[in-house]
Amino acid sequence: TQTVSQSDAHVTVFEGDSVELRCNYSYGGSIYLSWYIQHHGHGLQFLLKYYSGNPVVQGVNGFEAEFSKSDSSFHLRKASVHWSDSAVYFCAVSARAGNYKYVFGAGTRLKVIA
Amino acid sequence: AQTIHQWPVAEIKAVGSPLSLGCTIKGKSSPNLYWYWQATGGTLQQLFYSITVGQVESVVQLNLSASRPKDDQFILSTEKLLLSHSGFYLCAWTRTGEGTLYFGAGTRLSVL
Repeated sequence: TQTVSQSDAHVTVFEGDSVELRCNYSYGGSIYLSWYIQHHGHGLQFLLKYYSGNPVVQGVNGFEAEFSKSDSSFHLRKASVHWSDSAVYFCAVSARAGNYKYVFGAGTRLKVIA
Repeated sequence: AQTIHQWPVAEIKAVGSPLSLGCTIKGKSSPNLYWYWQATGGTLQQLFYSITVGQVESVVQLNLSASRPKDDQFILSTEKLLLSHSGFYLCAWTRTGEGTLYFGAGTRLSVL
């Protein structure tokens, strides 16, 4: 069974600050790890994903995430946030082979103060 | 380019009334299709998925059903709504083997 934990329900930072949103997962096999962003009242948009190779993956709008097998983590980072980055961020995990179940974390609400 | 359209945008329905929500994907043949439910301020719960026309797998039913009558269409329905059905319903699609979900704009359902 796949599980995803996002330990921070809310994160508040100032514009221009760096931010890290945390995600830990549990799953034994080969997986896709992804991050999605949801602005209020909208659907989710894909930011980035990892499945193999370089553990640091780059996404849209300056976001990057780093996979750590030893920590079972896939934390999302941005070096300098903008007020428009205020949204809810979801981490998700799915098995790579023959599985159509995608499990999402509880989400982290990021507030950027201008 | 692929587009995904959900309808209606929002619904206000009475407890016990029927419901039908729709989702259409254009520009992609044989997509894998998904329905998710999101409580206000909550996480996403996968309800159903379908990898081919006429076949739907249930993940969590919540007294809902789903059908895939055409390759590009996914329908979520129930004959009797419950208060607990209120929330945000999201349709999504993936390419086989890619692992990226592409979401629609969602339907907000209020059951009174």
